[in-house]
Amino acid sequence: DAGVIQSPRHEVTEMGQEVTLRCKPISGHNSLFWYRQTMMRGLELLIYFNNNVPIDDSGMPEDRFSAKMPNASFSTLKIQPSEPRDSAVYFCASSPEGLAERAGELFFGEGSRLTVL
Amino acid sequence: LAKTTQPISMDSYEGQEVNITCSHNNIATNDYITWYQQFPSQGPRFIIQGYKTKVTNEVASLFIPADRKSSTLSLPRVSLSDTAVYYCLVVDTGRRALTFGSGTRLQVQP
Repeated sequence: DAGVIQSPRHEVTEMGQEVTLRCKPISGHNSLFWYRQTMMRGLELLIYFNNNVPIDDSGMPEDRFSAKMPNASFSTLKIQPSEPRDSAVYFCASSPEGLAERAGELFFGEGSRLTVL
Repeated sequence: LAKTTQPISMDSYEGQEVNITCSHNNIATNDYITWYQQFPSQGPRFIIQGYKTKVTNEVASLFIPADRKSSTLSLPRVSLSDTAVYYCLVVDTGRRALTFGSGTRLQVQP
């Protein structure tokens, strides 16, 4: 199993530029999550999808952020325009539908480290 | 959403057993308790999950008392590679998204 695949692993961009982060969840998983991690704020949930439908986007900081899941095997998180305060590690995670006993088992990718200058 | 409280940091030595306790006083009936581990520059990794009493897997044990207001993650005979941040979470089984707290930074020394 390849695990959750994220790209790019590192991105350095200038303020005002558009940034697109990509995620391929584990095959067969029907829930997908985007998290952001910074030293100051820790791990924050941005949005999560179930069966490709956004369920909760209350964590999306502002309108500059958008996320899509056009199919079960691909999701994007876009920031336009980017700002220095968006610098963080962005994690994608997926989980399968299933028993309540496994409800807390998310599989995280390696993350995309974004630096906005 | 049940809030969790755990120590900010802990220190240990190789070969020792480490117990990290987490309090979650307002846990709901349907909630599960889950622990994650995160190494630097990596995503969090699921360790163990339980509802009550004791759960054990190849990595750790999780002890949950009858009132479920706290839980203890036990790592047997830690090694340097167990140096990481450990997160305790309470999982609402109806809402699969997890809310992470600050975690406990465990430092294992030789």
